[in-house]
Amino acid sequence: GQQVMQIPQYQHVQEGEDFTTYCNSSTTLSNIQWYKQRPGGHPVFLIQLVKSGEVKKQKRLTFQFGEAKKNSSLHITATQTTDVGTYFCAGHTPLVFGKGTRLSVIA
Amino acid sequence: SAVISQKPSRDICQRGTSLTIQCQVDSQVTMMFWYRQQPGQSLTLIATANQGSEATYESGFVIDKFPISRPNLTFSTLTVSNMSPEDSSIYLCSVGRASGANEQFFGPGTRLTVL
Repeated sequence: GQQVMQIPQYQHVQEGEDFTTYCNSSTTLSNIQWYKQRPGGHPVFLIQLVKSGEVKKQKRLTFQFGEAKKNSSLHITATQTTDVGTYFCAGHTPLVFGKGTRLSVIA
Repeated sequence: SAVISQKPSRDICQRGTSLTIQCQVDSQVTMMFWYRQQPGQSLTLIATANQGSEATYESGFVIDKFPISRPNLTFSTLTVSNMSPEDSSIYLCSVGRASGANEQFFGPGTRLTVL
């Protein structure tokens, strides 16, 4: 079936450092979605990217969709302890989730 | 966004029994989905709950094990039948506005432990 690969699986950063997670599909995606799941919580929708090469920003978060619409990235600038959680990318129909990147932020 | 509630929030069940999980949405939605999430793992789609017709199951999931009902546009149930310890997981329902291509909103989940 369809798959979405995501790396890294874990990332530990010092507060104030930047963080990036990468998502890749072997086939072209019509869109890519990003979700955040806090420890003990449920996934919460962050954003959807649709256009080739699209870049969207939400405060310190920058989302990119590759030109070929097969990859995407989420970059967090100057991480804070509130950024802790697992970030999932998701694509295809029905939605297929990547394995997620668990972010730990050390104060 | 939709407000989604699930019942029960958690349960501990004996092997061989069945548990029905309810998902209630505060507004009418087209698409409802059921996912399973092992602790620390990603989300795996079990099935799409279709209103007025049989659910659409993903590979590896069958109706006899996970019967789903969708009597209207705001409610769905997932039953985990003849449970074994391997069924211990978090079960989440989610809703979407149209097809799976649009963003989904998740319920709080049901944490199931099978002894």
